Amino acid sequence: QQQVKQSPQSLIVQKGGISIINCAYENTAFDYFPWYQQFPGKGPALLIAIRPDVSEKKEGRFTISFNKSAKQFSLHIMDSQPGDSATYFCAAIYSGAGSYQLTFGKGTKLSVIP
Amino acid sequence: GAVVSQHPSRVICKSGTSVKIECRSLDFQATTMFWYRQFPKQSLMLMATSNEGSKATYEQGVEKDKFLINHASLTLSTLTVTSAHPEDSSFYICSASMGGVSNQPQHFGDGTRLSIL
Repeated sequence: QQQVKQSPQSLIVQKGGISIINCAYENTAFDYFPWYQQFPGKGPALLIAIRPDVSEKKEGRFTISFNKSAKQFSLHIMDSQPGDSATYFCAAIYSGAGSYQLTFGKGTKLSVIP
Repeated sequence: GAVVSQHPSRVICKSGTSVKIECRSLDFQATTMFWYRQFPKQSLMLMATSNEGSKATYEQGVEKDKFLINHASLTLSTLTVTSAHPEDSSFYICSASMGGVSNQPQHFGDGTRLSIL
């Protein structure tokens, strides 16, 4: 059972455009939703995260939109740059379990073309 | 802050060899460490969760005798792939958690590319 569904699998955006990646979750106990950025041959790095009591969070060019009723959240990258080309993973966690175990989406490979 | 160092970054060895991968939290104490395996173009697959001083909890389908995990201190966890075979070739990534009220549940290392010939 895939608890976090991510789409699209791959995305090509022109420089300056907006990249949008969507995720949907099933477990309503999840209470923390991070996004990770991974470059080839590197480990994932936390990009931005949101809690379900907030509908939107913005950090620089990166924005998370969160829809609790629909159990969906998305990452928007404004003014996308070639340096943003990477694989992005959404994730969810139930911190109340005490284990801080992440449930990852399958990832989206973003290519930003000049 | 919150740096996780993983070593080695790459290892190539012959079939039958045992390989040890180290994961260190450099500037914080990690109550919990996680080991992941990642195949090309795929997501991270959790292999096991380990807490300092106790036995690791392995995910279903992960052989505990094949993948030995030791979490001897709050800053070090090791993964040993015993009698490695070509099918064990993969990208292994560790992460560490401070637990408690941290806003970042896991800090990741840069991974180890394991190639078994």
